[in-house]
Amino acid sequence: EVRLVESGGGLVQPGGSLRLSCAASGFTFTSHAMSWVRQAPGKGLEWVSGIGGTTSNTYYANSVKGRLTVSRDNYKNTLYLQMNSLTGEDTAIYYCAKESRGYNSGIFDSWGEGTLVTVSS
Amino acid sequence: EAVLTQSPGTLSLSPGERATLSCRASQSVSSSSLAWYQQRPGQAPRLLIYGASSRATGIPDRFSGSGSGTDFTLTISRLEPEDFAVYYCQHYGNSPYTFGQGTKLEIK
Repeated sequence: EVRLVESGGGLVQPGGSLRLSCAASGFTFTSHAMSWVRQAPGKGLEWVSGIGGTTSNTYYANSVKGRLTVSRDNYKNTLYLQMNSLTGEDTAIYYCAKESRGYNSGIFDSWGEGTLVTVSS
Repeated sequence: EAVLTQSPGTLSLSPGERATLSCRASQSVSSSSLAWYQQRPGQAPRLLIYGASSRATGIPDRFSGSGSGTDFTLTISRLEPEDFAVYYCQHYGNSPYTFGQGTKLEIK
């Protein structure tokens, strides 16, 4: 059974930093690209960033480019999102999503339960 | 990047009825790059349909997708109580991947 468990969310001040993690199990981690998708309170879904299965290819939404960095550790089966220069607009639940293919296809066939990031003073 | 507009914003129906949800793209998109997700309250989204019409693993056959070009439809043939949720369409041809704003399907 595919399992994705996010952690690292919390309250951070504007301008601060946070690192999210997503522990994956139940599938061959290196065979799948991964993405982060966020959802502001009461709002819709926004794709944030993606990374290939075994390549270093990374992709970002324009709204986060230069501030957020996605990475993965294929030995620990873990996906990361380093978040810097945070603003109130980054307040959201951040979901880790498994993509259906090894390259970034954008088909999110499994999701974690999410971790809440709140940016506030 | 394609902007996706979903309609209606809210759809009020009764269990057993048929639901038709619409997703319109601002420019023509490949039908192989259109997906639908369901999000129940307090839960993560779940993939229902990809490639405009292919059901994801474990999705009941009362869910079906259709469309091409700029107009796509998600149909739920006979609503079950667990189907009342928010539904999102998504274009995934090339990043950045975009979602529609969602249609809330509520019990009448």
